[in-house]
Amino acid sequence: KAGVTQTPRYLIKTRGQQVTLSCSPISGHRSVSWYQQTPGQGLQFLFEYFSETQRNKGNFPGRFSGRQFSNSRSEMNVSTLELGDSALYLCASSLLPTSGLDTQYFGPGTRLTVL
Amino acid sequence: ILNVEQSPQSLHVQEGDSTNFTCSFPSSNFYALHWYRWETAKSPEALFVMTLNGDEKKKGRISATLNTKEGYSYLYIKGSQPEDSATYLCAPTEGDKLIFGTGTRLQVFP
Repeated sequence: KAGVTQTPRYLIKTRGQQVTLSCSPISGHRSVSWYQQTPGQGLQFLFEYFSETQRNKGNFPGRFSGRQFSNSRSEMNVSTLELGDSALYLCASSLLPTSGLDTQYFGPGTRLTVL
Repeated sequence: ILNVEQSPQSLHVQEGDSTNFTCSFPSSNFYALHWYRWETAKSPEALFVMTLNGDEKKKGRISATLNTKEGYSYLYIKGSQPEDSATYLCAPTEGDKLIFGTGTRLQVFP
């Protein structure tokens, strides 16, 4: 079974631009969660999508948005990029909506650098 | 938001040494705790999901215990090997979200 894939793996943008990251979950998984990791911080929860609906949202500004398609693939968009958005963005998929008991399977991440 | 603390931040051990690290979290409203292993340039990999006070899980040379009353979990590695070098993350739940600690970075030298 193929794992979670994320594209692109690396991205360089400049301040003020916008960026879209993509995540393809494990086949059959319908829940996709997004996390941000910056140096010295744990993985910070961004949002979770299940069946094309946002279930949960973390404490991030409205510049961060996402969506999920009918095939469960998910995209994350960051508008008006700031230097502080430079981070590793990870997505994770699970079979069911996150309940605290389900294992989440992570992708390799997209490394975003904002200059 | 939960305050999750992992200690130590980093650890260097010799091959064959046994080691352990700690995850501390608020004990009130506890539901579940996850442990992940994250090797450099790879994806985080799930190790355990723990729910019950006194729970003990084992996977090969790695085991974990859980004390929900005092709010901590220990991860033990017996006879560390170089391939155990990774960052170990714990994540208790808050509602139906995982709240990750900053991890313990383990390096095992041959």
